[in-house]
Amino acid sequence: EVQLVESGGGLVQPGGSLRLSCAASGFTFSSYSMNWVRQAPGKGLEWVSYITSSSTTIYYADSVKGRFTISRDNAKNSLYLQMNSLRAEDTAVYYCAREPSGFYIDYWGQGTLVTVSS
Amino acid sequence: QSALTQPASVSGSPGQSITISCTGTSSDVGGYDYVSWYQQHPGKAPKLMIYDVSIRPSGVSNRFSGSKSGNTASLTISGLQAEDEADYYCSSYTSSSTWVFGGGTKLTVL
Repeated sequence: EVQLVESGGGLVQPGGSLRLSCAASGFTFSSYSMNWVRQAPGKGLEWVSYITSSSTTIYYADSVKGRFTISRDNAKNSLYLQMNSLRAEDTAVYYCAREPSGFYIDYWGQGTLVTVSS
Repeated sequence: QSALTQPASVSGSPGQSITISCTGTSSDVGGYDYVSWYQQHPGKAPKLMIYDVSIRPSGVSNRFSGSKSGNTASLTISGLQAEDEADYYCSSYTSSSTWVFGGGTKLTVL
């Protein structure tokens, strides 16, 4: 069974940093591209970042470019999102999401809540 | 990248059919056959319902179907059931090698 379990969310002050992790199991993690997608409270989905299976290609949404860094450790079956210079508008549930060989997401984690507030 | 345009809400009675539209531009919806649709119940993670415009993943009811014409994609749910009540989001690959989601549509089953 495919499982994606996010962790690392919490309350952080504006300007602060946080590192999210996603532990993958039930599939060959090293064979899949991965994404982070977020959802502000009561709002819609927003794509955040994408990384290929071997980390050779990485993309970011304009709203996080220069502040967030996506990475992965295939030996640990883990995906990460380093978030710096956090703003109130970054407050959201962050989902780890698997992308098979195509432009869609077939599995989502349950999400981890990040709250940026003083 | 601007969000794709979806109606904020749609409704229908059990057994009826409804269609949710998703309008973008030639740089996303109109330019690629990479539109996907997701269902999200309150407090839950999204679930893939349709990908590549009209392909249904294994396990998704054949009451769900997708199509596209020009810059507008559509999700049709036939034979509405109470459990279909949820938020629905479309998504598309873009010419910037990024993804864009729609603003979401709340489906109410009357």
